[in-house]
Amino acid sequence: GENVEQHPSTLSVQEGDSAVIKCTYSDSASNYFPWYKQELGKRPQLIIDIRSNVGEKKDQRIAVTLNKTAKHFSLHITETQPEDSAVYFCAATGGYQKVTFGTGTKLQVIP
Amino acid sequence: EPEVTQTPSHQVTQMGQEVILRCVPISNHLYFYWYRQILGQKVEFLVSFYNNEISEKSEIFDDQFSVERPDGSNFTLKIRSTKLEDSAMYFCASSEAMASEETQYFGPGTRLLVL
Repeated sequence: GENVEQHPSTLSVQEGDSAVIKCTYSDSASNYFPWYKQELGKRPQLIIDIRSNVGEKKDQRIAVTLNKTAKHFSLHITETQPEDSAVYFCAATGGYQKVTFGTGTKLQVIP
Repeated sequence: EPEVTQTPSHQVTQMGQEVILRCVPISNHLYFYWYRQILGQKVEFLVSFYNNEISEKSEIFDDQFSVERPDGSNFTLKIRSTKLEDSAMYFCASSEAMASEETQYFGPGTRLLVL
Protein backbone atom coordinates (compact mmCIF):
# COMPACT_ATOMS: atom_id res chain seq x y z
CA GLY A 1 0.00 0.00 0.00
CA GLU A 2 0.86 3.67 -0.13
CA ASN A 3 3.30 5.09 2.41
CA VAL A 4 3.66 8.83 2.90
CA GLU A 5 6.54 10.31 4.85
CA GLN A 6 6.57 13.91 5.97
CA HIS A 7 9.35 16.18 7.29
CA PRO A 8 9.96 17.99 9.50
CA SER A 9 7.70 16.97 12.35
CA THR A 10 8.00 20.43 13.91
CA LEU A 11 8.95 23.73 12.36
CA SER A 12 9.38 27.14 13.97
CA VAL A 13 9.77 30.25 11.85
CA GLN A 14 9.76 33.95 12.49
CA GLU A 15 6.76 35.85 11.25
CA GLY A 16 7.38 36.94 7.68
CA ASP A 17 9.78 34.10 6.89
CA SER A 18 9.00 31.17 4.61
CA ALA A 19 8.14 27.65 5.67
CA VAL A 20 8.72 24.52 3.63
CA ILE A 21 7.29 21.07 4.38
CA LYS A 22 8.32 18.03 2.37
CA CYS A 23 6.62 14.72 1.69
CA THR A 24 7.53 11.58 -0.17
CA TYR A 25 5.22 8.83 -1.34
CA SER A 26 5.77 5.26 -2.43
CA ASP A 27 2.98 4.38 -4.87
CA SER A 28 3.79 5.59 -8.38
CA ALA A 29 0.09 5.23 -9.23
CA SER A 30 -0.88 8.03 -6.82
CA ASN A 31 -2.20 10.98 -8.77
CA TYR A 32 -3.80 13.41 -6.33
CA PHE A 33 -1.99 15.17 -3.50
CA PRO A 34 -3.97 17.39 -1.12
CA TRP A 35 -2.55 19.40 1.78
CA TYR A 36 -4.60 19.92 4.92
CA LYS A 37 -4.28 22.38 7.77
CA GLN A 38 -5.56 21.26 11.15
CA GLU A 39 -5.92 23.60 14.08
CA LEU A 40 -6.08 22.14 17.57
CA GLY A 41 -9.27 20.13 18.06
CA LYS A 42 -10.60 21.04 14.64
CA ARG A 43 -11.23 19.19 11.41
CA PRO A 44 -8.59 18.99 8.65
CA GLN A 45 -9.18 21.78 6.15
CA LEU A 46 -7.95 21.56 2.58
CA ILE A 47 -5.59 24.42 1.78
CA ILE A 48 -4.23 23.41 -1.60
CA ASP A 49 -4.00 20.34 -3.81
CA ILE A 50 -2.09 19.24 -6.87
CA ARG A 51 -2.66 16.58 -9.47
CA SER A 52 -0.02 14.45 -11.08
CA ASN A 53 -0.21 16.20 -14.45
CA VAL A 54 0.88 19.50 -12.86
CA GLY A 55 4.31 20.35 -11.47
CA GLU A 56 3.47 23.41 -9.45
CA LYS A 57 0.42 25.26 -8.17
CA LYS A 58 0.17 28.53 -6.30
CA ASP A 59 -2.58 30.20 -4.31
CA GLN A 60 -1.56 33.54 -2.84
CA ARG A 61 1.05 32.79 -0.15
CA ILE A 62 0.81 29.02 -0.55
CA ALA A 63 2.44 26.93 -3.26
CA VAL A 64 2.88 23.24 -3.82
CA THR A 65 5.39 21.50 -6.06
CA LEU A 66 5.35 17.91 -7.27
CA ASN A 67 8.18 15.81 -8.64
CA LYS A 68 6.62 12.60 -9.94
CA THR A 69 9.92 11.06 -10.91
CA ALA A 70 11.33 11.42 -7.43
CA LYS A 71 7.92 10.83 -5.82
CA HIS A 72 8.04 13.87 -3.62
CA PHE A 73 5.97 16.99 -3.15
CA SER A 74 6.38 20.08 -1.03
CA LEU A 75 4.34 22.84 0.53
CA HIS A 76 5.74 26.36 0.58
CA ILE A 77 4.23 29.11 2.70
CA THR A 78 5.68 32.59 2.18
CA GLU A 79 5.35 35.63 4.42
CA THR A 80 4.15 33.50 7.30
CA GLN A 81 1.71 34.95 9.81
CA PRO A 82 0.85 33.82 13.36
CA GLU A 83 -2.49 32.46 12.10
CA ASP A 84 -0.57 30.02 9.92
CA SER A 85 0.39 28.17 13.12
CA ALA A 86 -1.23 24.72 12.96
CA VAL A 87 -0.48 21.12 12.05
CA TYR A 88 -0.13 20.54 8.32
CA PHE A 89 -0.70 17.14 6.73
CA CYS A 90 0.22 16.07 3.24
CA ALA A 91 -1.71 13.21 1.68
CA ALA A 92 -1.66 10.99 -1.38
CA THR A 93 -4.15 8.73 -3.05
CA GLY A 94 -2.57 5.29 -3.29
CA GLY A 95 -5.64 3.54 -4.50
CA TYR A 96 -9.13 3.96 -5.82
CA GLN A 97 -10.55 5.83 -2.88
CA LYS A 98 -8.03 5.58 -0.10
CA VAL A 99 -6.19 8.70 1.02
CA THR A 100 -2.99 8.15 2.95
CA PHE A 101 -1.90 10.97 5.22
CA GLY A 102 1.59 11.96 6.23
CA THR A 103 2.55 12.14 9.89
CA GLY A 104 2.02 15.90 10.14
CA THR A 105 4.17 18.98 10.67
CA LYS A 106 3.50 21.27 13.58
CA LEU A 107 4.23 24.77 12.33
CA GLN A 108 4.78 27.55 14.84
CA VAL A 109 5.05 31.10 13.56
CA ILE A 110 6.70 33.32 16.13
CA PRO A 111 5.49 36.93 16.12
CA GLU B 1 -21.43 26.83 2.06
CA PRO B 2 -22.56 23.24 2.71
CA GLU B 3 -20.61 21.27 5.29
CA VAL B 4 -20.34 17.73 6.52
CA THR B 5 -21.89 17.41 9.97
CA GLN B 6 -21.31 14.78 12.64
CA THR B 7 -23.04 13.77 15.85
CA PRO B 8 -22.35 13.49 18.67
CA SER B 9 -19.35 15.77 19.10
CA HIS B 10 -18.19 13.73 22.09
CA GLN B 11 -19.03 10.21 23.21
CA VAL B 12 -17.89 8.39 26.32
CA THR B 13 -18.55 4.67 26.53
CA GLN B 14 -17.56 1.63 28.53
CA MET B 15 -15.30 -0.99 27.01
CA GLY B 16 -17.35 -3.67 25.29
CA GLN B 17 -20.27 -1.39 24.51
CA GLU B 18 -21.52 -0.64 21.01
CA VAL B 19 -21.35 2.89 19.65
CA ILE B 20 -22.81 4.45 16.54
CA LEU B 21 -21.27 7.57 15.12
CA ARG B 22 -23.40 9.58 12.74
CA CYS B 23 -22.55 11.75 9.78
CA VAL B 24 -24.53 13.79 7.30
CA PRO B 25 -22.42 14.21 4.15
CA ILE B 26 -22.79 17.13 1.76
CA SER B 27 -26.00 16.52 -0.12
CA ASN B 28 -24.75 16.10 -3.69
CA HIS B 29 -21.72 14.02 -2.73
CA LEU B 30 -21.59 10.35 -3.68
CA TYR B 31 -18.48 9.08 -1.92
CA PHE B 32 -18.26 8.78 1.84
CA TYR B 33 -15.38 8.00 4.16
CA TRP B 34 -14.49 7.40 7.76
CA TYR B 35 -11.11 8.26 9.25
CA ARG B 36 -9.75 8.17 12.75
CA GLN B 37 -7.09 10.20 14.48
CA ILE B 38 -5.59 9.05 17.74
CA LEU B 39 -4.58 12.03 19.86
CA GLY B 40 -1.40 13.62 18.53
CA GLN B 41 -1.11 11.25 15.59
CA LYS B 42 -1.90 11.33 11.91
CA VAL B 43 -5.26 10.85 10.29
CA GLU B 44 -5.81 7.19 9.33
CA PHE B 45 -8.15 5.91 6.65
CA LEU B 46 -10.78 3.42 7.81
CA VAL B 47 -13.23 2.87 4.99
CA SER B 48 -14.74 4.33 1.84
CA PHE B 49 -18.32 3.81 0.69
CA TYR B 50 -19.95 4.31 -2.66
CA ASN B 51 -23.19 3.15 -4.22
CA ASN B 52 -24.30 1.54 -0.95
CA GLU B 53 -21.29 -0.65 -0.53
CA ILE B 54 -17.78 -0.54 0.84
CA SER B 55 -15.23 0.35 -1.84
CA GLU B 56 -12.06 0.07 0.18
CA LYS B 57 -11.15 -0.56 3.77
CA SER B 58 -7.96 -0.52 5.78
CA GLU B 59 -6.54 -3.18 8.06
CA ILE B 60 -7.90 -1.17 10.99
CA PHE B 61 -11.46 -1.73 9.78
CA ASP B 62 -11.95 -5.23 11.16
CA ASP B 63 -15.13 -7.18 11.94
CA GLN B 64 -15.88 -4.90 14.90
CA PHE B 65 -16.60 -2.05 12.50
CA SER B 66 -19.46 -1.59 10.09
CA VAL B 67 -20.86 1.26 8.03
CA GLU B 68 -24.31 1.95 6.78
CA ARG B 69 -26.28 4.52 4.86
CA PRO B 70 -29.67 3.94 6.46
CA ASP B 71 -31.44 6.67 4.51
CA GLY B 72 -30.72 9.31 1.89
CA SER B 73 -28.82 11.60 4.19
CA ASN B 74 -27.09 9.76 7.05
CA PHE B 75 -23.90 7.73 7.00
CA THR B 76 -23.03 5.80 10.15
CA LEU B 77 -20.04 4.03 11.64
CA LYS B 78 -20.79 1.31 14.19
CA ILE B 79 -18.21 -0.15 16.52
CA ARG B 80 -19.69 -3.35 17.86
CA SER B 81 -17.66 -3.96 21.00
CA THR B 82 -15.43 -1.03 21.82
CA LYS B 83 -11.86 -1.44 23.05
CA LEU B 84 -9.70 1.03 24.91
CA GLU B 85 -7.61 1.53 21.79
CA ASP B 86 -10.67 2.70 19.86
CA SER B 87 -10.42 5.99 21.74
CA ALA B 88 -9.79 8.58 19.05
CA MET B 89 -11.32 11.37 17.01
CA TYR B 90 -13.42 9.95 14.20
CA PHE B 91 -13.86 12.05 11.09
CA CYS B 92 -16.42 11.53 8.39
CA ALA B 93 -15.68 12.94 4.92
CA SER B 94 -17.46 13.12 1.61
CA SER B 95 -16.62 13.99 -1.98
CA GLU B 96 -18.41 14.43 -5.27
CA ALA B 97 -16.13 12.04 -7.11
CA MET B 98 -13.60 9.42 -6.14
CA ALA B 99 -10.73 10.41 -3.85
CA SER B 100 -8.17 10.25 -6.62
CA GLU B 101 -10.01 12.95 -8.55
CA GLU B 102 -11.81 15.17 -6.10
CA THR B 103 -11.35 16.90 -2.79
CA GLN B 104 -12.72 15.32 0.33
CA TYR B 105 -14.49 17.55 2.83
CA PHE B 106 -14.21 16.62 6.46
CA GLY B 107 -16.78 16.85 9.22
CA PRO B 108 -15.93 18.33 12.65
CA GLY B 109 -15.32 14.91 14.15
CA THR B 110 -16.63 12.84 17.06
CA ARG B 111 -14.26 12.40 19.96
CA LEU B 112 -14.74 8.88 21.32
CA LEU B 113 -13.43 7.94 24.72
CA VAL B 114 -13.58 4.29 25.76
CA LEU B 115 -13.18 3.68 29.49
